[in-house]
Amino acid sequence: GAGVSQTPSNKVTEKGKYVELRCDPISGHTALYWYRQSLGQGPEFLIYFQGTGAADDSGLPNDRFFAVRPEGSVSTLKIQRTERGDSAVYLCASSLTGLAGGYEQYFGPGTRLTVT
Amino acid sequence: GENVEQHPSTLSVQEGDSAVIKCTYSDSASNYFPWYKQELGKRPQLIIDIRSNVGEKKDQRIAVTLNKTAKHFSLHITETQPEDSAVYFCAASKGGTYKYIFGTGTRLKVLA
Repeated sequence: GAGVSQTPSNKVTEKGKYVELRCDPISGHTALYWYRQSLGQGPEFLIYFQGTGAADDSGLPNDRFFAVRPEGSVSTLKIQRTERGDSAVYLCASSLTGLAGGYEQYFGPGTRLTVT
Repeated sequence: GENVEQHPSTLSVQEGDSAVIKCTYSDSASNYFPWYKQELGKRPQLIIDIRSNVGEKKDQRIAVTLNKTAKHFSLHITETQPEDSAVYFCAASKGGTYKYIFGTGTRLKVLA
């Protein structure tokens, strides 16, 4: 079946601009995660959704970052007033919940964001 | 706070030799430990995982060991092949749908 998909695959924007990154989870996965991966580092947690609600947003670095999942499926990560330090690969992951979940998170290919 | 340390950062082995990557976690409530392989420009993919109720798990050439007392877990790859070359990440989680805390990664190079 289809895996997690993310669009765009690459995004170049100027400092100060607004960007939106989209994630399509695996069908039926109620849990959705956003991570950020800087060059040479492991993925860093940003936010986790259970259904439509953000269950844990403790990883969002500041109030320029916001994410939504209005219908419990597709999610959008929004970054306002982008800074050069926001440049990274933004990874989305999804997982099943409950005993059937097995805890595994399935990752998308990522969106490479470059802020110039 | 929650932290996972991973060593070494780079590892080169001859084809056919074994490779070992070690991780240490800080949160004693962690009970699920996945290992992901990430090839250049690709998404991370799960290769093996272990839960805290077992000490070892094996899948063909790959094995993971867990020492809960010491809060250590390790990835062992035997009979390495060139296609094993990639970056490997360990992670720790409190299970269920809890977030992952990742290590900083190990770049494994298998020399033919």
